[in-house]
Amino acid sequence: GNSVTQMEGPVTLSEEAFLTINCTYTATGYPSLFWYVQYPGEGLQLLLKATKADDKGSNKGFEATYRKETTSFHLEKGSVQVSDSAVYFCALSSGSNFGNEKLTFGTGTRLTIIP
Amino acid sequence: DVKVTQSSRYLVKRTGEKVFLECVQDMDHENMFWYRQDPGLGLRLIYFSYDVKMKEKGDIPEGYSVSREKKERFSLILESASTNQTSMYLCASSLGGTGSQVVAGNTIYFGEGSWLTVV
Repeated sequence: GNSVTQMEGPVTLSEEAFLTINCTYTATGYPSLFWYVQYPGEGLQLLLKATKADDKGSNKGFEATYRKETTSFHLEKGSVQVSDSAVYFCALSSGSNFGNEKLTFGTGTRLTIIP
Repeated sequence: DVKVTQSSRYLVKRTGEKVFLECVQDMDHENMFWYRQDPGLGLRLIYFSYDVKMKEKGDIPEGYSVSREKKERFSLILESASTNQTSMYLCASSLGGTGSQVVAGNTIYFGEGSWLTVV
């Protein structure tokens, strides 16, 4: 079956540091890949996504590239801010011809940025 | 903007009670989902529905049922709540569609979550 493995946290960085959160996946076919973010006390929001190999998703300074050869979708940001403190989830979508997208999630990585 | 609304943010229920968690979406989405979120386990799919009155089991359906009588509303039911069902429950929806209507990577939109404590 499908699975997502992401870097265990918590991760603590200083403001303006470089961020990488690793994510690898196992899936049949050609899944779409997502990063979701959950700020304290809130639900999940889509951060970025990529739907095919070599696609790069980007948003709010975050980037991730769909690497089929390494089955990875690592999240990166060049200079983090305190407001980036949140829990980050990597996920894949196993869509079918019926459009029944179901997300399989990683366990989440809690990120804390210190001023 | 898409809005997925979960009616209760915080609930405390007793063991054995019947619990209803309600979710409404306002974007005419075909698909709706219920997940639970637990520390160290991420999000796990309980049930999903791809059309009115249609439902399919997710990864952890035991102890839960669902109802989708109208397209915009998807209810999660705990027939007899137990302490191991204490968790955060997240409702979600997506566009869905069939055949040529399917768009790869349709975004799934989440509600703010319902924190359920069973005592």
